Amino acid sequence: EVQLVESGGGLVQPGGSLRLSCTASVFSDLYMDWVRQAPGKGLEWVGRIRNKVKSYTTDYAASVKGRFAISRDDSKNSVYLQMSSLKTEDTAVYYCARDNSWKYDYWGQGTLVTVSS
Amino acid sequence: DIVMTQTPLSAPVTLGQPASISCRSSQSLVHSDGNTYLSWLQQRPGQPLRLLIYKISNRFFGVPDRFSGSGAGTDFTLKISRVEAEDVGVYYCMQATQFPPSFGQGTKLEIK
Repeated sequence: EVQLVESGGGLVQPGGSLRLSCTASVFSDLYMDWVRQAPGKGLEWVGRIRNKVKSYTTDYAASVKGRFAISRDDSKNSVYLQMSSLKTEDTAVYYCARDNSWKYDYWGQGTLVTVSS
Repeated sequence: DIVMTQTPLSAPVTLGQPASISCRSSQSLVHSDGNTYLSWLQQRPGQPLRLLIYKISNRFFGVPDRFSGSGAGTDFTLKISRVEAEDVGVYYCMQATQFPPSFGQGTKLEIK
């Protein structure tokens, strides 16, 4: 079974930066997404990085565009979410998920990001 | 963006009894390739999100056959034939037909 493990969450002040990592036990040549869940709320898509065939192109939700950046290192089976200019409303558990043919077949356990002064 | 609306938001059920969750999309989820990319996810306490159903009615690996999905176009349903204690959690529908992907608000399944 594929396992995804996120890391890098923590407490950060508004305006600060944080980099999340997601490492997979099996890193197929698939798209990888980040999804977040604010406390007591539902799931919100954050962004996507495509595979080598698609030139590793990225897309982002309007709420994070220009502040967040996704990258990947296939040699390390890892995907990253660089977050900057963080706002209190970015407080959430951040999940990485593998997009396998239009379905998220595996998810990480999530990492909590708290933006607070 | 496509808006996904689930009902009910809370579903108290008796063990051994059936449960049903509905999901409605603001637009048809039929893709130009003919597929409908509607999935159901389960979030149990302390567990990673889990894919249950994809493309409306296909059970993912290891998902018990008491879970079933149905529907078409804009209306979809997840059914649990006989609820077990381990089914407690929050269930989300999700569409991947139109970019960006979007999720329902979640339905909390709890035991009466």
